[in-house]
Amino acid sequence: DTEVTQTPKHLVMGMTNKKSLKCEQHMGHRAMYWYKQKAKKPPELMFVYSYEKLSINESVPSRFSPECPNSSLLNLHLHALQPEDSALYLCASSLPTDNTEAFFGQGTRLTVV
Amino acid sequence: GEDVEQSLFLSVREGDSSVINCTYTDSSSTYLYWYKQEPGAGLQLLTYIFSNMDMKQDQRLTVLLNKKDKHLSLRIADTQTGDSAIYFCAEWLYGNNRLAFGKGNQVVVIP
Repeated sequence: DTEVTQTPKHLVMGMTNKKSLKCEQHMGHRAMYWYKQKAKKPPELMFVYSYEKLSINESVPSRFSPECPNSSLLNLHLHALQPEDSALYLCASSLPTDNTEAFFGQGTRLTVV
Repeated sequence: GEDVEQSLFLSVREGDSSVINCTYTDSSSTYLYWYKQEPGAGLQLLTYIFSNMDMKQDQRLTVLLNKKDKHLSLRIADTQTGDSAIYFCAEWLYGNNRLAFGKGNQVVVIP
């Protein structure tokens, strides 16, 4: 099983809403990542969790709040987003060592209205 | 450095070969990757190459690595319409626990 599952696939939310994106993997990977991707651009790293602890925050605004409740799950809590936050949000996982394969989910297409 | 350079657009006829190029700057990278992204989808890991290899072949895919010039290429033989996608090369940044992606190369296959 080399699958990273993200839900929901699509999300439309208002600027005052609170929503969460979910990511799950059962490959025993202990590093998990959130990326943001705008159309036809490369993914931009947002957060990295290693052994369920936040190890990298790429100066992401606080309206994005990550959470890693266990080694298989990664959440991204959203609150008071702006229209410019509309993008494809990708989750990935890998072994927590350098030089390794990272597997990506299919992403959540987020539209903020 | 984290600059990974890619050209942007390639149009190819079905059945022909397509070649996508990429240059990277971090000489300590030991894994280099090619990802495929179809419209509306996530990133699919296509193949990767260790830096101690010059070439890796995987069915229709051939990866060439010129470590001296920090140049990576992906050749797709017998290109099919299902190969239409954006292709990203990526390098693992040693010590930073992250992937650095190229800008991506859109491949359009003409039937």
